[in-house]
Amino acid sequence: DAKTTQPPSMDCAEGRAANLPCNHSTISGNEYVYWYRQIHSQGPQYIIHGLKNNETNEMASLIITEDRKSSTLILPHATLRDTAVYYCIVRVDTASKLTFGTGTRLQVTL
Amino acid sequence: GAVVSQHPSWVICKSGTSVKIECRSLDFQATTMFWYRQFPKQSLMLMATSNEGSKATYEQGVEKDKFLINHASLTLSTLTVTSAHPEDSSFYICSANRPGAIEQFFGPGTRLTVL
Repeated sequence: DAKTTQPPSMDCAEGRAANLPCNHSTISGNEYVYWYRQIHSQGPQYIIHGLKNNETNEMASLIITEDRKSSTLILPHATLRDTAVYYCIVRVDTASKLTFGTGTRLQVTL
Repeated sequence: GAVVSQHPSWVICKSGTSVKIECRSLDFQATTMFWYRQFPKQSLMLMATSNEGSKATYEQGVEKDKFLINHASLTLSTLTVTSAHPEDSSFYICSANRPGAIEQFFGPGTRLTVL
């Protein structure tokens, strides 16, 4: 699976949009981009995934660049409960294992 | 959504004893489950892939004789830490693939402290 690079930490004011970047320059054509997050001392939680089109669900939006070498997870209105470590992972299919990188620690503040 | 549980949520044991951690898929059958370990302020590290009815596949550097994995049914996988030592103290997390689902479902984790 392709390696991903994320900033180690970010801050965001409550109510503002949180934009979390991820670089995956070696991604293959058949690899999906997945985002998970882990709130302190809990198991990871799935957020969203995409192949090449932008995606949106009730939690977030995923913007993938046309060359697929990077993506951005957008939390449109961050709340304190969104404080967590966010992991960007590339993966071929649903049966394959997830390889977690270091992630981005998002701190949402008042 | 699909639910994965772990038991116990935390355990404290003496050095040299063995500890068993259970991972259950509560509302679906999981042919594949995964076990991760997470040390403080670090990321999740995959330890092994557990397949129902067959031997687990361990990641490089993980001692299969120390971390025994059994996946005897489609809803239960167990991880036994044998002869535990303080360096085995960690947060152990399991996950499961639900057939037809896109995401892996994670358990809440088990915090192991070895004294």
